[in-house]
Amino acid sequence: GAGVSQSPRYKVAKRGQDVALRCDPISGHVSLFWYQQALGQGPEFLTYFQNEAQLDKSGLLPSDRFFAERPEGSVSTLKIQRTQQEDSAVYLCASRGQGGEQYFGPGTRLTVT
Amino acid sequence: RKEVEQDPGPFNVPEGATVAFNCTYSNSASQSFFWYRQDCRKEPKLLMSVYSSGNEDGRFTAQLNRASQYISLLIRDSKLSDSATYLCVVNEGTNAGKSTFGDGTTLTVKP
Repeated sequence: GAGVSQSPRYKVAKRGQDVALRCDPISGHVSLFWYQQALGQGPEFLTYFQNEAQLDKSGLLPSDRFFAERPEGSVSTLKIQRTQQEDSAVYLCASRGQGGEQYFGPGTRLTVT
Repeated sequence: RKEVEQDPGPFNVPEGATVAFNCTYSNSASQSFFWYRQDCRKEPKLLMSVYSSGNEDGRFTAQLNRASQYISLLIRDSKLSDSATYLCVVNEGTNAGKSTFGDGTTLTVKP
């Protein structure tokens, strides 16, 4: 079946702009994760949903500019308000299968100028 | 100290070599463990789960030592196509809870 999809694949934003990144998980997967990956580092946990419930958003803190939602328990959106240059990174979404393994989307590469 | 730590490498080995990577984790309550492979500018892809009894998939062997809180990955008879970054992942639960990634170990296999 279809894998995890993310859009847009690339986004260039001027500093101070708001951006919204979308993730479509594998159909039927209950858990969905967002990660931020900077060059040369592993994916850094941002937040995690089980269905529509956001069970852990510790990675979004202490920033008050990052928000995520999954209102119907399927598609999720990561929103970054008032983007800063340090937000430039690849944002990865993953959904989790029954065995605990995660399946990743291709990521959104965000560049803040 | 990071929750999941890996030797960043790089490991540069000739084709046919055997190479081993280790990963240590700090949360003793962690329940499930995985190795992922990430190619340059691509998303991580599952390589294998890691079971307490150890498990093998072709040239790849994964082991878990809960007492010492480390995970290992052994690659035998390295191929050029094994060149990638290998990420260790630790889950809070078996199929629940947060996942924490290491920063990865880079492997380059040379002819």
